[in-house]
Amino acid sequence: EIVMTQSPATLSVSPGERATLSCRASQSVGSNLAWYQQKPGQAPRLLIYGAFTRATGIPPRFSGSGSGTEFTLTISSLQSEDFAVYYCQQYYIWYTFGQGTKLEIK
Amino acid sequence: QLQLQESGPGLVKPSETLSLTCTVSGDSISSSNYYWAWIRQPPGKGPEWIATIYYSGSTYYNPSLKSRVTISVDTSKNQFSLRLTSVTAADTAVYYCARLPRVVVVFDYWGQGTLVTVSS
Repeated sequence: EIVMTQSPATLSVSPGERATLSCRASQSVGSNLAWYQQKPGQAPRLLIYGAFTRATGIPPRFSGSGSGTEFTLTISSLQSEDFAVYYCQQYYIWYTFGQGTKLEIK
Repeated sequence: QLQLQESGPGLVKPSETLSLTCTVSGDSISSSNYYWAWIRQPPGKGPEWIATIYYSGSTYYNPSLKSRVTISVDTSKNQFSLRLTSVTAADTAVYYCARLPRVVVVFDYWGQGTLVTVSS
């Protein structure tokens, strides 16, 4: 099983600032990496797939980068609605998710 | 507008079988463009993929759950279902159904989820 490790577990950032979230795979997954956003009581929402392609309707302040085993999600200027939990997920061999990064207001 | 709605008991006793159904509206489950999946999320943890099915009946299972899981599809009702046998407290989770486009097999639409608690 490919294990996905996200860091940090919690990230405190002020609105308007940039947030950088990391995700590491236990083996190479190529570019088969997706990012999801989850708010309390809601299902995850697809943000990014193919490591850097934004899903339909996702604003350009969300960007993804990386390949192989190291990936990054960057939110360029945090809006109030961006504070949530973020999960990375590989789909190279079946599907596994990370444990999440909680993005909270500083 | 695509909608997925999970339904089934919210409480299951240990050692019994968990059964859930996902009703798809706004799209045909028989579309050749999509797979359909079950995912669960224990309280406070990340999601875990359980199983995937294609309208033709092809199935794919998480190896860690394969011995206890069955996924099936009913195209006449535009539904797909999950059965998980011999449940324990570790199976307590919010269960989601979701859609995966064949061109990029990520979970692009999710149901709202249903909490299933395993307890006597």
